[in-house]
Amino acid sequence: DAGVIQSPRHEVTEMGQEVTLRCKPISGHDYLFWYRQTMMRGLELLIYFNNNVPIDDSGMPEDRFSAKMPNASFSTLKIQPSEPRDSAVYFCASIKGGLPYNEQFFGPGTRLTVL
Amino acid sequence: GQQLNQSPQSMFIQEGEDVSMNCTSSSIFNTWLWYKQDPGEGPVLLIALYKAGELTSNGRLTAQFGITRKDSFLNISASIPSDVGIYFCAGQLRLTGGGNKLTFGTGTQLKVEL
Repeated sequence: DAGVIQSPRHEVTEMGQEVTLRCKPISGHDYLFWYRQTMMRGLELLIYFNNNVPIDDSGMPEDRFSAKMPNASFSTLKIQPSEPRDSAVYFCASIKGGLPYNEQFFGPGTRLTVL
Repeated sequence: GQQLNQSPQSMFIQEGEDVSMNCTSSSIFNTWLWYKQDPGEGPVLLIALYKAGELTSNGRLTAQFGITRKDSFLNISASIPSDVGIYFCAGQLRLTGGGNKLTFGTGTQLKVEL
């Protein structure tokens, strides 16, 4: 299996621009998570989906952030407009629910820099 | 959001030394996990603990799930250069749909001197 795939790996943009981060979960996994990692706040859960439906978006910082999962194999995290404080590494993770012992598998992350 | 308190924040040790780090929470978790993150990569699961009081080993790694379910520690014996990285604890809560939700610790940066 290819694992969780994220693109782009690096993104540099200017303040005010729209940014779209992409994630392909592991095939067969029915949960997808978006995390943000910064030095100040560590790893934070932003939102997660179950069977393509957003379940808990309480971690989304503000209305500038939105996430979608149009099908089981693709999700996007969009920031519009972007601000310098959004600079962070964004991770996507997936898991297959319903198993006695299940592990979240993380993608390699997208390093976002907003100038 | 909630974060777990992890200590130490960083460690600089010599190759061959043993390493110990711990994690505490104000909340109870039904599973504790330890992850390692290499530069430029996502966290990778090292050890999972499912029962209070459980002591689990994975090669040179040993971890324990505290009896109160609010803490855990990780030991690495005889450290080697490839142990360098950031180690995270994570408390896991099961979700009603069968998935799980993680809350991560603040991380311990480990550096190993040859």
